[in-house]
Amino acid sequence: DTAVSQTPKYLVTQMGNDKSIKCEQNLGHDTMYWYKQDSKKFLKIMFSYNNKELIINETVPNRFSPKSPDKAHLNLHINSLELGDSAVYFCASSRNRDLGTEAFFGQGTRLTVV
Amino acid sequence: QKEVEQNSGPLSVPEGAIASLNCTYSDRGSQSFFWYRQYSGKSPELIMFIYSNGDKEDGRFTAQLNKASQYVSLLIRDSQPSDSATYLCAVNRNTGGFKTIFGAGTRLFVKA
Repeated sequence: DTAVSQTPKYLVTQMGNDKSIKCEQNLGHDTMYWYKQDSKKFLKIMFSYNNKELIINETVPNRFSPKSPDKAHLNLHINSLELGDSAVYFCASSRNRDLGTEAFFGQGTRLTVV
Repeated sequence: QKEVEQNSGPLSVPEGAIASLNCTYSDRGSQSFFWYRQYSGKSPELIMFIYSNGDKEDGRFTAQLNKASQYVSLLIRDSQPSDSATYLCAVNRNTGGFKTIFGAGTRLFVKA
């Protein structure tokens, strides 16, 4: 019973391709996130959704487009992949936007652009 | 200045010693603070959270918060080799929209 699951776990693709990563949570949480962790292990927030509504969009290139069909799913589509997009992408969820809520993370998707 | 700063380490301690991990944050509006542990190749997992000034203890872990100094720390007593991981400090704040901001993490090595 994986609480936050994302697929695929590994993704190797060529520059210029378009790819998607899917995320689902079965915790009943209202809020979901996408984080990018680079080679230096810095975990940086990209997007945050609350009940399917986009609430945070950090300075991410518009090649990245999140979609939340319902509050249990948050997918990430990336157009025209670049070498610099190589990283581990983590999906996470939290109960709500109360300041005390912790984030639960998926297992990560290691994206390698060649 | 980064919003959440940690010494990247590595911090190396012998087995059985106390490991002390430190974190500072820049936004005084930050209200809740978390320590996550991340093993290599794995996802972050929550160890401790703290909201109020002072100490909070959970087993071998103690979180300390000083809001006046904008400082939060994690002490690991009786360190074990299995504690070797990267420890991420995280802060929840609602300035410019609710978000959790992570530090870059401190790598801890516990030598057997």
